[in-house]
Amino acid sequence: RKEVEQDPGPFNVPEGATVAFNCTYSNSASQSFFWYRQDCRKEPKLLMSVYSSGNEDGRFTAQLNRASQYISLLIRDSKLSDSATYLCVVTPNAGNMLTFGGGTRLMVKP
Amino acid sequence: DAGVTQSPTHLIKTRGQQVTLRCSPKSGHDTVSWYQQALGQGPQFIFQYYEEEERQRGNFPDRFSGHQFPNYSSELNVNALLLGDSALYLCASSGIRASGVGRGNEQFFGPGTRLTVL
Repeated sequence: RKEVEQDPGPFNVPEGATVAFNCTYSNSASQSFFWYRQDCRKEPKLLMSVYSSGNEDGRFTAQLNRASQYISLLIRDSKLSDSATYLCVVTPNAGNMLTFGGGTRLMVKP
Repeated sequence: DAGVTQSPTHLIKTRGQQVTLRCSPKSGHDTVSWYQQALGQGPQFIFQYYEEEERQRGNFPDRFSGHQFPNYSSELNVNALLLGDSALYLCASSGIRASGVGRGNEQFFGPGTRLTVL
């Protein structure tokens, strides 16, 4: 079983749609959680950290459920520019080894 | 402020050869981590260097080795290349003195080196 699991997709959605991704992790000792975005043939870039209380950044909302060991990302009002692969990441503590999921591919269509 | 830089951008090698990849961290960062990303998969942690020592290592064989220099730059060496070593190799830097968005010790990635083993 992989340490971090994601549905690979692709998720094909129209512009303006709301889309949600989930991710599950197996290491209950994980302390820090992130969503990274990776465009085709580019490096991953931090989208947002995920806090126990949940957090929002514009159209993006991240939630953490420690009891069930899953993380979610909600994107509202999807834009064409949101098309990318979204990587779920956990780590024992920030700054140490990042454990990535396989990524979920999102394609936003006009 | 230069971000993380890596060289070369692309590399083609044959099985059995050896390769050295290079990384310069973001200004103010002192920690360098290396990741391997095979096509269609998420990055996998290889190892992390801090104060010129390997601090943590992922599940990679001894053919993968590294080094960190006093200026914090780093090299990744892979010996006896296999076809399965073909991947995008990513370097990420972080540091206690780092500034920027995000809570904690965010890791910033370089553009990667795409290695093809024939």
